[in-house]
Amino acid sequence: DVKVTQSSRYLVKRTGEKVFLECVQDMDHENMFWYRQDPGLGLRLIYFSYDVKMKEKGDIPEGYSVSREKKERFSLILESASTNQTSMYLCASSLRTGEQYFGPGTRLTVT
Amino acid sequence: DQQVKQNSPSLSVQEGRISILNCDYTNSMFDYFLWYKKYPAEGPTFLISISSIKDKNEDGRFTVFLNKSAKHLSLHIVPSQPGDSAVYFCAASISGYSTLTFGKGTMLLVSP
Repeated sequence: DVKVTQSSRYLVKRTGEKVFLECVQDMDHENMFWYRQDPGLGLRLIYFSYDVKMKEKGDIPEGYSVSREKKERFSLILESASTNQTSMYLCASSLRTGEQYFGPGTRLTVT
Repeated sequence: DQQVKQNSPSLSVQEGRISILNCDYTNSMFDYFLWYKKYPAEGPTFLISISSIKDKNEDGRFTVFLNKSAKHLSLHIVPSQPGDSAVYFCAASISGYSTLTFGKGTMLLVSP
């Protein structure tokens, strides 16, 4: 079974803080993704990576950056958290194409 | 511009009856379609998929139908069970590309 884990299930941060969300997958997948899910807006792609040290912007990259130093690990960074970044963050991984496998999500609240 | 649309935000069905969730797409390049199920406070889980070379794919109680000419797909759940209550996302992709385009989801409530 594919396993995708995320470092925290719930996180509360203050406005202006730097926030790191970590994601690890154990299936040697090439691709990794970061989404956010908001009510009424579905899943929106923030960034994805198709290889180590490679990254591509998704639909809503503003205010975020990512890091992929190892194949199994993909980090999402909020350089200066803002209240409009309060959301559910979902990490996923996949082979080159096909279905994506999701982690349990991190509910981030920025106050 | 939404390329994948789920026009019903919610659907209520009685246990034992059929649930039909609908999805429309606008990009004719999409050739692979997926359905995901999501419970609150959990990540989405893959349910079923269909390639554009088929018009139907079945897996137990779940069947996905694809109508390419109408750019429409649907997920049928028969019989519906209370444990099926969740948000269902439709997603589409283009062969050779890694990314999926998701709809906004439909919340299904199956009542006993």
